[in-house]
Amino acid sequence: DQQVKQNSPSLSVQEGRISILNCDYTNSMFDYFLWYKKYPAEGPTFLISISSIKDKNEDGRFTVFLNKSAKHLSLHIVPSQPGDSAVYFCAASEYNFNKFYFGSGTKLNVKP
Amino acid sequence: ETGVTQSPTHLIKTRGQQVTLRCSSQSGHNTVSWYQQALGQGPQFIFQYYREEENGRGNFPPRFSGLQFPNYSSELNVNALELDDSALYLCASSQGLAGDRQETQYFGPGTRLLVL
Repeated sequence: DQQVKQNSPSLSVQEGRISILNCDYTNSMFDYFLWYKKYPAEGPTFLISISSIKDKNEDGRFTVFLNKSAKHLSLHIVPSQPGDSAVYFCAASEYNFNKFYFGSGTKLNVKP
Repeated sequence: ETGVTQSPTHLIKTRGQQVTLRCSSQSGHNTVSWYQQALGQGPQFIFQYYREEENGRGNFPPRFSGLQFPNYSSELNVNALELDDSALYLCASSQGLAGDRQETQYFGPGTRLLVL
């Protein structure tokens, strides 16, 4: 029973263009969402988060959008850079915050 | 400030054996969570320890157990290993529990376990 889904296993984008990574969830009790980036042989690295009281959070080139009614969030990277090439995981948690549910990841390839 | 470290980096065991994986949390962090990441999937929550007490558990059988020590380092023990236990095991440390929405978990590089 996968409560967080990333339906695109991979995405290829040209350098300088926008990358849009998508994530869907089923549990309406989730109220905190995060994106992680993972390089090979390293653990996931926190990228950006959003609380359910917001619908947008921005940090430099990274913006996360949350659509609660659709149970959907997305990560926008603009402009995309070759160093952004990695696997991106979205994750979600309920109010008690002690358990994170992860999607299966999207592998982003940014071509020079 | 040191990050999260895990040992060993790789491990090969046979079915039925027992394994202990270790994690040193980031300096100042009192909470450790363990995850199992099978090939091609996202991390799945195993359990969390807060100040030496288990504080939440995912859908894993009792043969997965853990410990947290006074210095907040942690161990994950798996008994009676099965072939499906082959995965990357990640630990993540954080400070406190809920409350501060800016807090998140910092992951170690993982231990890759292969069960033959």
